[in-house]
Amino acid sequence: AQTVTQSQPEMSVQEAETVTLSCTYDTSENNYYLFWYKQPPSRQMILVIRQEAYKQQNATENRFSVNFQKAAKSFSLKISDSQLGDTAMYFCAFMNAYNNNDMRFGAGTRLTVKP
Amino acid sequence: DSGVTQTPKHLITATGQRVTLRCSPRSGDLSVYWYQQSLDQGLQFLIQYYNGEERAKGNILERFSAQQFPDLHSELNLSSLELGDSALYFCASSAWDTSGKLFFGSGTQLSVL
Repeated sequence: AQTVTQSQPEMSVQEAETVTLSCTYDTSENNYYLFWYKQPPSRQMILVIRQEAYKQQNATENRFSVNFQKAAKSFSLKISDSQLGDTAMYFCAFMNAYNNNDMRFGAGTRLTVKP
Repeated sequence: DSGVTQTPKHLITATGQRVTLRCSPRSGDLSVYWYQQSLDQGLQFLIQYYNGEERAKGNILERFSAQQFPDLHSELNLSSLELGDSALYFCASSAWDTSGKLFFGSGTQLSVL
């Protein structure tokens, strides 16, 4: 079974600084997707970034980028130029590419951006 | 706005009761997923439907059931409610393409008193 581990329950960063959130996963599959979702106080789950396992190039979306290390089964999220609106819970998630029916989530990291 | 609509946003009920949560997926999405988010269990996959057919089951209790109707909206039925069923219930939809992307509704907060 696939598992997703986020070892940092809480983190904080100063506005305009850079922060990295960690995620590791365990799978025997070769083709899969990895995601970072953001859950602000509004509770809405918002897709931040997505990575396809067969692509070596790390995904980027504006201020958000990932460091995908397939052999190490590591998928960290880097937020650059942190903004107050980035304050939220961040969830790392895994989905088997051949079986799009069970997205597994980590326990989440609560990020606070301080002014 | 994700395009996924969930109603109601909040629901307060008593133990032993039965409730129905409703979800309308994004226009054109055939696949609907239900997730439960609680403080102690995190985000748990409950069940998935694709074009009216049950596709996969996760950690869904026997007291819970779901269905997807011909217009693709879905309902999650929770019966014989217990205090521990209090949670945020999310619906998500996807287009069943190769992207793996799920789009989440804003959730239904269920409080069982």
